[in-house]
Amino acid sequence: AQKVTQAQTEISVVEKEDVTLDCVYETRDTTYYLFWYKQPPSGELVFLIRRNSFDEQNEISGRYSWNFQKSTSSFNFTITASQVVDSAVYFCALSTYLAGKSTFGDGTTLTVKP
Amino acid sequence: GAVVSQHPSRVICKSGTSVKIECRSLDFQATTMFWYRQFPKQSLMLMATSNEGSKATYEQGVEKDKFLINHASLTLSTLTVTSAHPEDSSFYICSAKTPGEQYFGPGTRLTVT
Repeated sequence: AQKVTQAQTEISVVEKEDVTLDCVYETRDTTYYLFWYKQPPSGELVFLIRRNSFDEQNEISGRYSWNFQKSTSSFNFTITASQVVDSAVYFCALSTYLAGKSTFGDGTTLTVKP
Repeated sequence: GAVVSQHPSRVICKSGTSVKIECRSLDFQATTMFWYRQFPKQSLMLMATSNEGSKATYEQGVEKDKFLINHASLTLSTLTVTSAHPEDSSFYICSAKTPGEQYFGPGTRLTVT
């Protein structure tokens, strides 16, 4: 069985602060995908990143960066210099390579205050 | 990039009626589509896996007679909520899978009054 744990239910920061959202996963598969999605109040899931289990390189995209550590089964997401528009629910998800089923974490609600 | 659309984006229906939600892959063929449900302030839960031309596979606890899934073509899957009740009010999201990729639709918000 797969499991994704996002221990932080809610995080509140002040604009321009850096914030890290944690994600820990469990799977028996050797090949899998990890995702981060943003869900603003409108409800639509916004794809942020996909990582496959063989690619442990960290990635930076603008103010966003991701730290994938297979040794600790973690895939953390950092927003640098947060902005009010970053306020949303962020989901970490794990997908099996073959079947494609995704297991989502419970989400972290990020509130960025001006 | 690949796009998945859902129609309608919002629907309100009366208790006891049925409502159909469409999920389309717009520029690729998806042999497998997934349907998820998200209750307010909760995570997404997989309801069923839909394979083109075959019966859907439902997750434990999901009533297959209530949530009818049809995957008639490589670009279209439909979810029909039959005899809807207020507790079925939720956000329904589909995703379409290609080898190595998965794309999510924008979701359909169902409100049953």
